[in-house]
Formats: sequence, structure tokens, C-alpha cells
Amino acid sequence: AQKITQTQPGMFVQEKEAVTLDCTYDTSDQSYGLFWYKQPSSGEMIFLIYQGSYDEQNATEGRYSLNFQKARKSANLVISASQLGDSAMYFCAMRERGGSNYKLTFGKGTLLTVNP
Amino acid sequence: ETGVTQTPRHLVMGMTNKKSLKCEQHLGHNAMYWYKQSAKKPLELMFVYNFKEQTENNSVPSRFSPECPNSSHLFLHLHTLQPEDSALYLCASSQVGTEYGYTFGSGTRLTVV
Repeated sequence: AQKITQTQPGMFVQEKEAVTLDCTYDTSDQSYGLFWYKQPSSGEMIFLIYQGSYDEQNATEGRYSLNFQKARKSANLVISASQLGDSAMYFCAMRERGGSNYKLTFGKGTLLTVNP
Repeated sequence: ETGVTQTPRHLVMGMTNKKSLKCEQHLGHNAMYWYKQSAKKPLELMFVYNFKEQTENNSVPSRFSPECPNSSHLFLHLHTLQPEDSALYLCASSQVGTEYGYTFGSGTRLTVV
């Protein structure tokens, strides 16, 4: 079974509008972390935001916020006031404890296109 | 230099060639990773190194050979690759035991002809 599910292969949003990218996860760990990364066409994976499983408040970083619903095992990314430069692939990832490593497992990604 | 640096950015190699990918991190992290990103697939974890010791090999074919001479440098040696090995190879580093995720390099886009 997939550990990270991103059901939206592609999303379109108008510039200056908000957009939500969906992510659900599956884990039996009590302690885990959820991440969102942005990958522009250049290839680099850029860290956007982090949510710990014990964090009671939703994480926010500038225009990015993470809508964390623990009971539903969802960690959706909300981008407010979209900009043309936000067009990229977006990956949701989960960190679980695997032995001495903290393995990061990624979803398949969502391609976001911001239209002018 | 800061962050995680990967060289080369692009590589085209024949199936009989031998080449190496290089990754260097300037963050003082204690773990380094190789990921493979193929079209329309999730990122696949290939190798994990903790304090220079390989702690994970995710059933990667022996034509991929990693090397970690110190905690700042990671190599991926390639030989007799197949066309299906063409992909973006991403290096990442992290500080194990902290809350933070990975810092990635820009990747090497490999084409096997």
C-alpha cells in the first residue's frame, strides 16, 4: 500500500487565487513528520513546510500553510495568492523512523500550473 | 558554497561507459542519500549513509555503486547502465536525530544511450 497518496496529478489555478494540494498518508508510527517540497523544472527539490505529528497547530510559512487533519491522516498544502513562479511539481513526504535512519517517503507529486 | 552541490548537472553516457556522480554537502549533516526520479514515478530511495556507513541499499542493481569517503561527500559510480536507468538522480543530506527533513541538491540528469 502507498504510504503517501497525492490524488491530483495536475492542478490549475489563476494567479492571485488560493489553491489546495491534497495529501493523505498511512503510518502506524505515533511520531512522524510531514513535509512538502517544490520541484521546479530545474530539478532541485525545495523544502517548503513541515508539520510534526504532535504539533497541535497547523504549520505556516509565508504563503504556505499545511492543513493537518490527524484523524483523517491528511496533510494538504494551501498556497495563498498564487504567483506565476509557483508553477512546479509539488511533493508531499513523510518521515518515519526506520532503524537509525529517518526515511523520507514521497508521493507521486502534483503538477501545479498558475495561469496569468 | 552552501547547501548540497551535485556535479555534473547533465550526463550522457553509453551503455559500456563508466562514470561517476558527485555530491557534496556543506551543512555539517551526518547522513546522505541517493534518490532516483524517473518520469511519472515517485522518488525512489537508492542508498542511505549514516556517518559514512551504508545503512540501506534498496535492492539497487550492482551497476550502481555508491561511495562515501567522508560525511560531506557522496559518489555514485555507474557502469554498464541500461537505457531504463535514464533519470534524474538526486542527492540529499540530513541531520539524523533532528526534526528536519532533507536538503536536496539540484540533481544530475542522466541519459543512457
